[in-house]
Amino acid sequence: IAGITQAPTSQILAAGRRMTLRCTQDMRHNAMYWYRQDLGLGLRLIHYSNTAGTTGKGEVPDGYSVSRANTDDFPLTLASAVPSQTSVYFCASSVSGTDEQFFGPGTRLTVL
Amino acid sequence: GQNIDQPTEMTATEGAIVQINCTYQTSGFNGLFWYQQHAGEAPTFLSYNVLDGLEEKGRFSSFLSRSKGYSYLLLKELQMKDSASYLCAVRDGDYKLSFGAGTTVTVRA
Repeated sequence: IAGITQAPTSQILAAGRRMTLRCTQDMRHNAMYWYRQDLGLGLRLIHYSNTAGTTGKGEVPDGYSVSRANTDDFPLTLASAVPSQTSVYFCASSVSGTDEQFFGPGTRLTVL
Repeated sequence: GQNIDQPTEMTATEGAIVQINCTYQTSGFNGLFWYQQHAGEAPTFLSYNVLDGLEEKGRFSSFLSRSKGYSYLLLKELQMKDSASYLCAVRDGDYKLSFGAGTTVTVRA
């Protein structure tokens, strides 16, 4: 692995299903983030983690949960997907909360 | 919340200069970032300003005026590969990053 990876690349999901988007980085960055990007709205922060073992809520956290059990992984879970969660999801990481963020390739999620 | 405004679209000719403006109102300020995002790809970091003034990096320059809540990204000697969206992002007092909706720049031959 080099940098930051996300899986799956894309997914079509039935409403009401549970889904976990995976994010892994090998840069030993302390901080990690989840954003969603919707046309005309730009990137919006869902959840973040400044260091392993801690998480915080961003601008649009409802319907999403995260965990940060170790430095490398930061999964995002949709407990019961709804169509409004159709979006492109980007994971990002930075050395600390004060540094530039590096983005993963994104996951395109469609909820029907 | 944060309020970050930038134009939706701009078009320019190859070899020309384009200036993308960004105005912001935030609760606290800890720096302004510009990112480039090609269609279907992830955003990539271009520049960072935390003090007033101009930061130059090759063909790209970024300016900040904290008192005016204003920044611009200047792209010189435009190339076709510069066709992309340019995202202005402000880090607030809690060190969280808020993004503008992005400016799509189209470079024509």
